[in-house]
Amino acid sequence: AQSVTQPDIHITVSEGASLELRCNYSYGATPYLFWYVQSPGQGLQLLLKYFSGDTLVQGIKGFEAEFKRSQSSFNLRKPSVHWSDAAEYFCAVGSHSGNTPLVFGKGTRLSVIA
Amino acid sequence: DTGVSQDPRHKITKRGQNVTFRCDPISEHNRLYWYRQTLGQGPEFLTYFQNEAQLEKSRLLSDRFSAERPKGSFSTLEIQRTEQGDSAMYLCASSLDLAGGHEQFFGPGTRLTVL
Repeated sequence: AQSVTQPDIHITVSEGASLELRCNYSYGATPYLFWYVQSPGQGLQLLLKYFSGDTLVQGIKGFEAEFKRSQSSFNLRKPSVHWSDAAEYFCAVGSHSGNTPLVFGKGTRLSVIA
Repeated sequence: DTGVSQDPRHKITKRGQNVTFRCDPISEHNRLYWYRQTLGQGPEFLTYFQNEAQLEKSRLLSDRFSAERPKGSFSTLEIQRTEQGDSAMYLCASSLDLAGGHEQFFGPGTRLTVL
């Protein structure tokens, strides 16, 4: 069965510092991986996705993620965090074969301090 | 606005009452998904449609839940005889069925509180 683990429930970083949010997945075939961000009271916004090709993917708002098949990981990174990045971040996995329901991790809440 | 919309945004109801939520997907999208999100959790899949056909239902979708997508456009999710455990955010997403990659676009959600 598919599963996603986000080991960090809550992370606090200083504004301007670098960020890495961890995501590990379990999937029996080639996964289709996503990172979504959710601000309070809002729906989910897609930051980036990995389908195939280059394992380092660039997303919106200066985020990037690297797919590492050997580690079953898809960690999200940002070199310099802004206060507006404070939100909940979700990693998700889907089927590579087409549109299917996504399986989400439990999320990592990011707090940004001055 | 051409995004996914959901109505209502908030619903407070008493235990035992029935509630219905509506989702309007992006107009050209043929896939529509319902997810439920409880506090401190990620979204969990409930059901999804391709056009008007309901393709899959999760074990989370008890007999009290029913979803429809008449004519393959908007969708409704009804919960009968609500229970306090139904309190959650109900998220709708839509996508275009394409080979080689897809993205699910999410609506703002309907927050249900069952008293």
